[in-house]
Amino acid sequence: GAGVSQSPSNKVTEKGKDVELRCDPISGHTALYWYRQSLGQGLEFLIYFQGNSAPDKSGLPSDRFSAERTGGSVSTLTIQRTQQEDSAVYLCASGPVVAGDNEQFFGPGTRLTVL
Amino acid sequence: GQNIDQPTEMTATEGAIVQINCTYQTSGFNGLFWYQQHAGEAPTFLSYNVLDGLEEKGRFSSFLSRSKGYSYLLLKELQMKDSASYLCAVTRRRALTFGSGTRLQVQP
Repeated sequence: GAGVSQSPSNKVTEKGKDVELRCDPISGHTALYWYRQSLGQGLEFLIYFQGNSAPDKSGLPSDRFSAERTGGSVSTLTIQRTQQEDSAVYLCASGPVVAGDNEQFFGPGTRLTVL
Repeated sequence: GQNIDQPTEMTATEGAIVQINCTYQTSGFNGLFWYQQHAGEAPTFLSYNVLDGLEEKGRFSSFLSRSKGYSYLLLKELQMKDSASYLCAVTRRRALTFGSGTRLQVQP
């Protein structure tokens, strides 16, 4: 398929463990975004990549959260020493580089449950 | 900071028209998106407004007033499959800030 893909689709982990979430954007999209959505809540912006650099990391909730992107394509979001409040659906979106705003195409998300 | 408000829940009848409002207060506003999200699925794009006025796309229309910090999404000829959450999002420096969403329930 040509859409955004994310893996794993579901992740259950124990409190204190580290987790890595992966996002494969649409081919050719240079903008990549991470959001998280807690149960019944709206989407919370985490971080934005333009190519491999992250001009806006303002949404990362703590220093336990980090993200990287390599080759202008795949991105990983890492959460260290997970806490129960980290439980949420983590959504990745990608968008083309054009002037002005871009429609963002969302992946199916990774549902993270921290026990 | 940014503040986006939309009603939490709405109910409407199949075949009817429903208007979902969104008000926002934000610095550096670029434009406003509406997304639809069915339960357990990713959001999908509905509309984008950057200029004041109404944008129509089939059964869906979206309106923006930049001076009032106000937008609405209008859904006509409601169908059962329109039962979903509708997310208002404003753009600033390319990232999106979302409201909490309006959960629309369409009844027969």
